[in-house]
Amino acid sequence: DSGVTQTPKHLITATGQRVTLRCSPRSGDLSVYWYQQSLDQGLQFLIQYYNGEERAKGNILERFSAQQFPDLHSELNLSSLELGDSALYFCASSALPGKAQHFGDGTRLSIL
Amino acid sequence: AQTVTQSQPEMSVQEAETVTLSCTYDTSESDYYLFWYKQPPSRQMILVIRQEAYKQQNATENRFSVNFQKAAKSFSLKISDSQLGDAAMYFCAYKGTGNQFYFGTGTSLTVIP
Repeated sequence: DSGVTQTPKHLITATGQRVTLRCSPRSGDLSVYWYQQSLDQGLQFLIQYYNGEERAKGNILERFSAQQFPDLHSELNLSSLELGDSALYFCASSALPGKAQHFGDGTRLSIL
Repeated sequence: AQTVTQSQPEMSVQEAETVTLSCTYDTSESDYYLFWYKQPPSRQMILVIRQEAYKQQNATENRFSVNFQKAAKSFSLKISDSQLGDAAMYFCAYKGTGNQFYFGTGTSLTVIP
């Protein structure tokens, strides 16, 4: 158990819809990272927050947004969903930049 | 941007044998961190080992060890006494002075009984 909690584990929705993925980092970790992993692909970095502030942005689409709340949990919002957004979305947390990331079990998003 | 290259999409090893997975990276930074992550069929991402670039000594975690060659920008993972449970996708990752982690495309390891 990594200590990082992601909900929901599975999400099935239709094109054009909007979903919110939630992540609770390990106790004490201030950094949260979001990744997208499409089928048989590597991890694509989306965005990182540190103690509530955005710190790094990767290949995140404009239809996607995220935030980290004062209690350090984070949400990734995906809107106007397309078939190509079907993927496994991981959240990871770390205590400090440079420390190892610990990953949640992921949210599997399926767009029908 | 930094790049991480895993040139072996697939590898296989006999149970109890040793296998080495390759990883190279491109960076102009001198201070950085390198990681190996394991992703079994359950799709969880599990940290295997971590190396700090300023440390000359290669990191070791039980049956897992790395060969870190800073000048060559190479960071290979050696798995000794391979077990069936080692079968997974292995990802090499780099983190420099920025906040972003860069992952390779992965190597799928099969362990043959």
